[in-house]
Amino acid sequence: GAGVSQSPRYKVTKRGQDVALRCDPISGHVSLYWYRQALGQGPEFLTYFNYEAQQDKSGLPNDRFSAERPEGSISTLTIQRTEQRDSAMYRCASSARTEDEQYFGPGTRLTVT
Amino acid sequence: DAKTTQPTSMDCAEGRAANLPCNHSTISGNEYVYWYRQIHSQGPQYIIHGLKNNETNEMASLIITEDRKSSTLILPHATLRDTAVYYCIVRVARGAGNNRKLIWGLGTSLAVNP
Repeated sequence: GAGVSQSPRYKVTKRGQDVALRCDPISGHVSLYWYRQALGQGPEFLTYFNYEAQQDKSGLPNDRFSAERPEGSISTLTIQRTEQRDSAMYRCASSARTEDEQYFGPGTRLTVT
Repeated sequence: DAKTTQPTSMDCAEGRAANLPCNHSTISGNEYVYWYRQIHSQGPQYIIHGLKNNETNEMASLIITEDRKSSTLILPHATLRDTAVYYCIVRVARGAGNNRKLIWGLGTSLAVNP
């Protein structure tokens, strides 16, 4: 079946602009996770949802970052007033249940110029 | 901070077993050991997980010491396609809130050589 998909795959934006990154999890998966990954580093947890409820947002760097999953399926990670330090690979993952293995999408490469 | 320590890099000859160690001396009784790998710039891929018993699946075997303070991931017959960064993560499997997230370290960069 279809895996986790993310769009866009690449996004170049100017400093100060807002961006919205989309994640389509595997159908029926309860949990959805957002991570950020810098080159040469492991993924850094940002936030996660069970169904539509945001369970943990402790990894969001500051209040410019927000995420939603209004219908318990597709999720959007929004970064307002982007800064160059926000440039990274943003990865989404989903799992059937919270305790299950996570399946990762291909990521969105964000570049802020 | 990651609760595991792994060697930065390892080499393995193609066709031989690759044994990747992980130390997790502060692991709690309700924490599982998970292994993921990341090939080049792809998304991480789940390999295996376990609590205290040894586990085996089609990809690998996981050996956990009796005191659960360390574990070893074994790829029985490494191929060139197993070249990747391997991450060992401890995580509470049941419970609510903050304990569910995965905390990733730097992993072990495994190079399988022909």
